This record gives sequence, C-alpha cells and structure tokens, in this order.
Amino acid sequence: AQSVSQHNHHVILSEAASLELGCNYSYGGTVNLFWYVQYPGQHLQLLLKYFSGDPLVKGIKGFEAEFIKSKFSFNLRKPSVQWSDTAEYFCAVTLTGGYQKVTFGTGTKLQVIP
Amino acid sequence: GAGVSQTPSNKVTEKGKYVELRCDPISGHTALYWYRQSLGQGPEFLIYFQGTGAADDSGLPNDRFFAVRPEGSVSTLKIQRTERGDSAVYLCASSKGGDGTEAFFGQGTRLTVV
Repeated sequence: AQSVSQHNHHVILSEAASLELGCNYSYGGTVNLFWYVQYPGQHLQLLLKYFSGDPLVKGIKGFEAEFIKSKFSFNLRKPSVQWSDTAEYFCAVTLTGGYQKVTFGTGTKLQVIP
Repeated sequence: GAGVSQTPSNKVTEKGKYVELRCDPISGHTALYWYRQSLGQGPEFLIYFQGTGAADDSGLPNDRFFAVRPEGSVSTLKIQRTERGDSAVYLCASSKGGDGTEAFFGQGTRLTVV
C-alpha cells in the first residue's frame, strides 16, 4: 500500500522567508500527487496537483511543487510566505488509472509570524 | 449546493450509542468519499462510493461502521456501539469521478464519544 511521509510537523517562519515542506511517498507504480491546505477553521482545499508532464507544478497563491521521481519526492515551495499562509499543509497521493482513494501524510503546521 | 455539506458540525455522544453523520455532496458529483482525521494525523480513508454502490470499503475499521448512499447523492455514515476511540473529525469529499478529478471536502463532523 502507498504511504506518504511529511518530515516537518511544525514550521515557524517570519514573513517574507522562503518555504520548503518535504514530502516523500512510498509506492513503486505511477502516482498522482497533491498538496492540500487547511486554513484555521476551514475545510481542506486543493493547493496544487501533479498528474503528468512538467514535474514543476504551479498552484494557487504562489505555491509550487517539484516532482522528483528518482527521489519519490514532491516538495512544496514558496519564495516568500505571508502571514495569511498560516495553515496546515497535507501532501497526498493517489494511484493513477482509477478513482481518488487519497492517502494523506500526517500534515505540517505552518505558522508565519508577522 | 455550492460545496460539500456535512451535518452535524459537532456531535457529542455517550459510549455505546449509535450515531449517524450526513454528507450532502456537490450536485452532479458521482464519487463520494468518507475520511476520518484523528488529532495530529492526516485524513484516513474509510470508504468510497461511485453512484449508489460502495466501490471500496477497505478503510472501514470494523463492522460497527457502515455507510450508505441509497440514491447516489446524500450519504450517511453510521457508527454502532460507539467507543471513545471513534472520536475524530469525519470528513466527506465528492468529485466528478475518474482519474484526474479534484475531490472537494466538506468542513467535517467532529465526533466526541464520552
């Protein structure tokens, strides 16, 4: 079965700092990869997704992620964070060719200090 | 509706009681998913419906858990003989179905078993 590892559980940054959240998945087949965000008091929202093609994926609010197949990684990046980026971020994976039984990582709580 | 709606938003029940959690998906979405999120964890897959049928119920933890979607729209997650360990946020998501489609999540039902 596939699994997802997020190594950073809690990250604290000052505004304008750069962000990189690590995500590694475990599965030998072809996968689809996602980052979801959950702002305080809100539901999970899709931030970006990779299905195929360019391994550098750009999402909403200036976020991007790079799929590195050889490293089984899909790290999330943002060059300059804002206080409004304070949220919990979940990396997730599904298998290709079927429905979205999504396997989530444990999440990373990002706190941005003004 | 505009988004996935889950009711109630909060439910407190006594150990041993029966509870029902409701999910109203986005209109026209054929795929519906239930997840459970415990404190400090990412969402954990429970069950997936394609239309009226449960296509994958491999995530249901035991036979106290059951879900239905009789008309292919609203779904109810039913938990019998609740235990304190069932306390979690229960998330519902829906999508148009098929590979590559985004799943939209509801706000969740926070279940507390006392």
